[in-house]
Amino acid sequence: AQRVTQPEKLLSVFKGAPVELKCNYSYSGSPELFWYVQYSRQRLQLLLRHISRESIKGFTADLNKGETSFHLKKPFAQEEDSAMYYCALSDRGSTLGRLYFGRGTQLTVWP
Amino acid sequence: EAQVTQNPRYLITVTGKKLTVTCSQNMNHEYMSWYRQDPGLGLRQIYYSMNVEVTDKGDVPEGYKVSRKEKRNFPLILESPSPNQTSLYFCASSSGFDGYTFGSGTRLTVV
Repeated sequence: AQRVTQPEKLLSVFKGAPVELKCNYSYSGSPELFWYVQYSRQRLQLLLRHISRESIKGFTADLNKGETSFHLKKPFAQEEDSAMYYCALSDRGSTLGRLYFGRGTQLTVWP
Repeated sequence: EAQVTQNPRYLITVTGKKLTVTCSQNMNHEYMSWYRQDPGLGLRQIYYSMNVEVTDKGDVPEGYKVSRKEKRNFPLILESPSPNQTSLYFCASSSGFDGYTFGSGTRLTVV
């Protein structure tokens, strides 16, 4: 079974502080990991996928297979980063249609 | 513009009255999916489709039906809605090589 765990429901930091949103997964196959962001009253948007190794809006995430983690990090948080963040896992094998989400972390960046 | 379009955006209905939420994508994506989003539970997959006439249950399929007669459309049908189906619903599509692209959401209230 695939499982994605985001241990923090809420996370608050001050502007300019570093931020790390945790994501752990449980999967025996070859997963593909994503981070999605949902700003207030908007649709989910793809923020990062692990295989592209991009940095989007200053965010990065590294897949750590040993720790089965895919934490999202940003060195200097901005107020506009306040949003709900979801970690998601997809099986690139037989179930390409399935994308499993964690329960999300609500990030608030205070001025 | 590449997008996933859901209609309606808001819907209030009464228990037992059949309804359909439409979803259409213009990206020629093979994969389409429906999710419901509830506070504290994140996004849970209702049904997904890997191609025309190929659909499968997600994690919470009870009380829902879907069909995929054409590649671009993937309607969600509630034959007899109940109050526990009050939720925010998202349709999404994917080429299978990237993460999903999400629609704007449909906020359904069943009274």
